[in-house]
Amino acid sequence: DIVMTQSPDSLAVSLGERATINCKSSQSLLYGSNNKNYLAWFQQKAGQPPKLLIYWASTRESGVPDRFSGSGSGTDFTLTISSLQAEDVAVYFCQQYFTTFSWTFGQGTKVEIK
Amino acid sequence: EVQLLESGGGLVQPGGSLRLSCAGSGFTFSNNAMSWVRQAPGKGLEWVSGISTSGGSTYYADSVKGRFTISRDNSKNTLYLQMTSLSAEDTAVYYCASTSLVGYFEYWGQGTLVTVSS
Repeated sequence: DIVMTQSPDSLAVSLGERATINCKSSQSLLYGSNNKNYLAWFQQKAGQPPKLLIYWASTRESGVPDRFSGSGSGTDFTLTISSLQAEDVAVYFCQQYFTTFSWTFGQGTKVEIK
Repeated sequence: EVQLLESGGGLVQPGGSLRLSCAGSGFTFSNNAMSWVRQAPGKGLEWVSGISTSGGSTYYADSVKGRFTISRDNSKNTLYLQMTSLSAEDTAVYYCASTSLVGYFEYWGQGTLVTVSS
């Protein structure tokens, strides 16, 4: 299985400041034939199911605020919240979908307000 | 509006069985692969099982292979997970999720809690 490792496990950021979450995969998620990275990001608020934020490593899901952005390629990826809002307090997970029906998630990163 | 509503969770003794259901609405259920993803209390997400649009192909994580069976009834827009030989390690909230053609999870239900304890 592809192992996904996120860092840090938690971070506290002041309102309006930037939050950066990293996700590293044990093998490349870049598919050569279409040049796409098979990586998604989810947000999970307390007591709620996860919500899809980003897929293809950098494509925002419809309705997701543009302060959320994804970047990276191969084995190293980043989710950035450009200006943290109170409603962004949540746990964020990355997920690889490179290996069909053998999908794996990162352990999660908890984002709090400083 | 897409809705996925899980049911069937509860308290079960070790070694017991349970059947989860997930009713879908607001989208063309039969056009979507579906999955079950679980989350142990205070822990991360674990993909458990997936099924193709027709139900003809099924997939399982090693942790549940041979014990869990996924199925679907497209005429009822419903996904199922039959769980047997349950142990404490299976205690979790179980989410059903619609799965895109390439494998990310587009929509999630609210989840149903399965507790395995004597």
